[in-house]
Amino acid sequence: EAGVTQFPSHSVIEKGQTVTLRCDPISGHDNLYWYRRVMGKEIKFLLHFVKESKQDESGMPNNRFLAERTGGTYSTLKVQPAELEDSGVYFCASSKIRTSEYYEQYFGPGTRLTVT
Amino acid sequence: AQSVTQLDSHVSVSEGTPVLLRCNYSSSYSPSLFWYVQHPNKGLQLLLKYTSAATLVKGINGFEAEFKKSETSFHLTKPSAHMSDAAEYFCVVTITGTASKLTFGTGTRLQVTL
Repeated sequence: EAGVTQFPSHSVIEKGQTVTLRCDPISGHDNLYWYRRVMGKEIKFLLHFVKESKQDESGMPNNRFLAERTGGTYSTLKVQPAELEDSGVYFCASSKIRTSEYYEQYFGPGTRLTVT
Repeated sequence: AQSVTQLDSHVSVSEGTPVLLRCNYSSSYSPSLFWYVQHPNKGLQLLLKYTSAATLVKGINGFEAEFKKSETSFHLTKPSAHMSDAAEYFCVVTITGTASKLTFGTGTRLQVTL
């Protein structure tokens, strides 16, 4: 079974440009999450999809960030326009709808975004 | 609300000696607690989990953790460190029985020396 994949692994862009990150969850996982870690800080939640619907987007920092999950499969996270403080590692995770008393989240390797 | 405090940002041990990574949590709900590990240039891997069953939980690679409600702690231990254990470890809390977001600690970087 393939794990969670993310593309690209690294991205370097200039301030003001647009970047789109992609996440492919494990097949059959309806829950999809985005997290990010900025330098020196903890990993923080951004948002949670259940299939194509946004279940919780309380962690999205501002309206420069747009997440989509059309068709309930892969997801994209667009940053437009990018700012210096957006630099960090963006993680995607997925889990099944219901397996037992908990929902193990499987993480991708992350996308390292550098805004210069 | 939930939060996690990892008490040490860096821990250094000699190979073959015990490992102790400390974690305290706070949660308004019945918590599920996890330890994740991230090796260099790798994704986050689940090491072990507590989800309201046995308070002493065993994970992969010889790690274990004990849930102590009275102390609100969930410390990670291993009897004997191996060089391959060098990585960053994250203590994580979420609400039991839900697909809610994970709340991470700031991470503890474990160094293992010869």
